[in-house]
Amino acid sequence: DVKVTQSSRYLVKRTGEKVFLECVQDMDHENMFWYRQDPGLGLRLIYFSYDVKMKEKGDIPEGYSVSREKKERFSLILESASTNQTSMYLCASSSVQSQGNIQYFGAGTRLSVL
Amino acid sequence: QKEVEQDPGPLSVPEGAIVSLNCTYSNSAFQYFMWYRQYSRKGPELLMYTYSSGNKEDGRFTAQVDKSSKYISLFIRDSQPSDSATYLCAMSMIKAAGNKLTFGGGTRVLVKP
Repeated sequence: DVKVTQSSRYLVKRTGEKVFLECVQDMDHENMFWYRQDPGLGLRLIYFSYDVKMKEKGDIPEGYSVSREKKERFSLILESASTNQTSMYLCASSSVQSQGNIQYFGAGTRLSVL
Repeated sequence: QKEVEQDPGPLSVPEGAIVSLNCTYSNSAFQYFMWYRQYSRKGPELLMYTYSSGNKEDGRFTAQVDKSSKYISLFIRDSQPSDSATYLCAMSMIKAAGNKLTFGGGTRVLVKP
């Protein structure tokens, strides 16, 4: 069964803290994605990676960075958290073999920055 | 104008009714069409997947794609309270850079017992 695991369901951090969000997939997928989801704005792509150590900016990369040292793990880093980064963060993965580019999602991390 | 438009709802129906959801899009290069269901405070899960135009049925769910009108639909028959969720349409091109998907904003559905 397909599984994408995000390390935390809920996080509360303070402004200025460095925040790490971890995502692990067990499907040997090449592609991994980080989104944020906000009411009225839908899903917005932050970064994606199509291979180990490779990364591409999505639509809203400012204030974020990512790391992919192993194929199964994709980390999202908030270098200095700000209140406008309070959001639901979703990780997803997909296989290059998937003709339809189907993505499988984790359960999400709800981050609050105070 | 967004590439994919989806009415945010909420769409409220009585239990047993047919739920009708749709998305319109502007990019004629989209070939793959998906519907995801997202329960409150959870991640989206794939519900239906279709390629190009036509219909696809899976139990109580039917997905339709009309590429000539750039319009896709999802129908839920005999709706249940457990169908209450947000439904997201998503679509992609044959060779999307990085296998990216383009999502609609989601429609919130409430099925009342």
